[in-house]
Amino acid sequence: QVQLVQSGAEVKKPGSSVKVSCKASGGTFSNFAISWVRQAPGQGLEWMGGIIPFLGKANYAEKFQGRVTITADESTSTAYMELSSLRSEDTALYYCARGGSLSYFDPWGQGTLVTVSS
Amino acid sequence: DIVMTQSPDSLAVSLGERATINCKSSHSVLYSSNNKNYLAWYQQKPGQPPKLLIYWASTRESGVPDRFSGSGSGTDFTLTISSLQAEDVAVYYCQQYYSTLPYTFGQGTKLEIK
Repeated sequence: QVQLVQSGAEVKKPGSSVKVSCKASGGTFSNFAISWVRQAPGQGLEWMGGIIPFLGKANYAEKFQGRVTITADESTSTAYMELSSLRSEDTALYYCARGGSLSYFDPWGQGTLVTVSS
Repeated sequence: DIVMTQSPDSLAVSLGERATINCKSSHSVLYSSNNKNYLAWYQQKPGQPPKLLIYWASTRESGVPDRFSGSGSGTDFTLTISSLQAEDVAVYYCQQYYSTLPYTFGQGTKLEIK
């Protein structure tokens, strides 16, 4: 059974970048899409983008295009989401999930809190 | 983008009673080639990630109690909890994973005990 474990909480300055990791264990990594979803405090769920590791090509939501980069390392079964030019509105929980590419999202990582503050 | 609209935004139901949450999509999520609705329901409890309950609009995920059921097709969908239990207090989201990006979620429905 696949499990996704994310990296720990981050505190960043406005204008900087953050890179969050998502390591898969217990199942096949390369053939399934990994998506990134964020949740601002007290708000709903927002898909940011995703990648199918063996293809290596990511798709992004238009809102984040140009600021987000999603990559995957098949050798370590780890996906990454890097968000640049951070602003206070990017303060949120960031989740990875297996899914996308015409598939529902399951399982989800535990979430990584990113706080953007001067 | 496909817009997912849930109703109501919040709901209070007595223990043992039925809870019904609706989800409407701005575009059909029924794929004619396989007759599947690309619609999922998730449950999120405080401090936890979302948990998959229902996929393909009506298929219950393994381990999910059978009091949870999903129905609907095309643009209109419903999540029903037949007999509300205390542990069902959560926020529920619908999501479309149809081919048109981005994958979008409903705004969420907060379910509480009356």
